[in-house]
Amino acid sequence: DIVMTQSPDSLAVSLGERATINCKSSRTLLYSSNNKNYLAWYQQKPGQPPKLLIYWASTRESGVPERFSGGGSGTDFTLTISRLQAEDVAVYYCQHYYSTPPYTFGQGTKLEIK
Amino acid sequence: EVQLVESGGGLVQPGGSLRLSCSASGFTFSSYTMQWVRQAPGKGLEYVSTISSHGGGTYYADSLKDRFTISRDNSKNTLYLQVSSLRPDDTAVYYCVKGVSSAAVDDYFPHWGQGTLVTVSS
Repeated sequence: DIVMTQSPDSLAVSLGERATINCKSSRTLLYSSNNKNYLAWYQQKPGQPPKLLIYWASTRESGVPERFSGGGSGTDFTLTISRLQAEDVAVYYCQHYYSTPPYTFGQGTKLEIK
Repeated sequence: EVQLVESGGGLVQPGGSLRLSCSASGFTFSSYTMQWVRQAPGKGLEYVSTISSHGGGTYYADSLKDRFTISRDNSKNTLYLQVSSLRPDDTAVYYCVKGVSSAAVDDYFPHWGQGTLVTVSS
């Protein structure tokens, strides 16, 4: 199975500053035939189910603010929040969907306000 | 609007069994893969299982495949997860999740239910 590893485990950023979360996979998530990276990012706030933010590594889900962006390719990916707002406090997860399941998750990154 | 409503959770003794259900509405249930994901209290998300649109393909986390069985009844718009030989570390909220494809390829997961809590304790 593909192992997903996020860093850091927790992160404190000042309001209005940039937050960057990393996700590394044990195998490439880039499918050469279509040049797509099979990676998604989710946001989870306390007491709520996860919310899809990004898919295909860099495509924002409908309704997700532009301050959220995804990048990377192959085995190394990032989620960037360009100007942190108070409502962005949450735990963020990456998940691969390369080939057939199991579609494993990263361990999560807790984002707080400094 | 996509709606996914899980049920069937509760308190169960170690070694016991449960069948979780997920009632789906707001979309053509028989056209999409479905997935179960769980989350132990205070812990991260754990992939459990996926089933293709017509049930022909089923997939599991390696650590769970001997005790968990995913199924679906497209005539009832309902997804199931049969869990057996339950252990305390199976205690978690179990989420029902809808994919965007029919065959567990090119599939990501935008729609999640609120989850149902399973507590395994004597």
